[in-house]
Amino acid sequence: QSVLTQPPSASGTPGQRVTISCSGSSSNIGSNSVSWYQQLPGTAPKLLIYSNNQRPSGVPDRFSGSKSGTSASLAISGLQSEDETDYYCAAWDDSLNGRVFGGGTKLTVL
Amino acid sequence: EVQLLESGGGLIQPGGSLRLSCAASGFTFINFAMTWVRQAPGKGLEWVSGISGSGRTAYYADSVKGRFTISRDNSKNTLYLQMNGLRVEDTAKYYCAKDQGGSSGWSDYWGQGTLVTVSS
Repeated sequence: QSVLTQPPSASGTPGQRVTISCSGSSSNIGSNSVSWYQQLPGTAPKLLIYSNNQRPSGVPDRFSGSKSGTSASLAISGLQSEDETDYYCAAWDDSLNGRVFGGGTKLTVL
Repeated sequence: EVQLLESGGGLIQPGGSLRLSCAASGFTFINFAMTWVRQAPGKGLEWVSGISGSGRTAYYADSVKGRFTISRDNSKNTLYLQMNGLRVEDTAKYYCAKDQGGSSGWSDYWGQGTLVTVSS
């Protein structure tokens, strides 16, 4: 059972906009910034979003992040076939004194 | 170019010990906190441990506290994870990652991981 809650799956058609939610509590998302990671099969995770809504250099602007209260969301617009993979949210937890991850969301492009 | 290269994984019996290493290059190692994250086969990411740039402050997940020890040698640009009392449930690929924003921040670069298998 992950501390941060993500839907196990999400889907969309090419060109569509999809969102992936990440729900936490006051000790993690509510008081710390959220990051998002993309993990292609058999590869290491890649940073997608940091500080709730900032994109590292090289990440397409199709990817965006937001946070409100104890929840965060990752939005992917103009969905492409190569976006079909796993996505994880993460945040520091002040009560656990450690980083916590969501359980991951497998995105399918129909 | 930032590079992180993990090593030290392998097959180990329950109760055994293993030390993972992560050789870092391409950035000023002492200036950045570092993190270990693991992923059991077919499962999600699990944060294991983090350490400040100086090495003076370390954090651990409850699942490994008292069994694992994170450390770093800033003169060798190397991060370590000493794993004692290994359990079957510690079987996973272990990634080292460079952090931004301190240990409570995010990981901007990741290694390719090293596989640890705990089995009799």
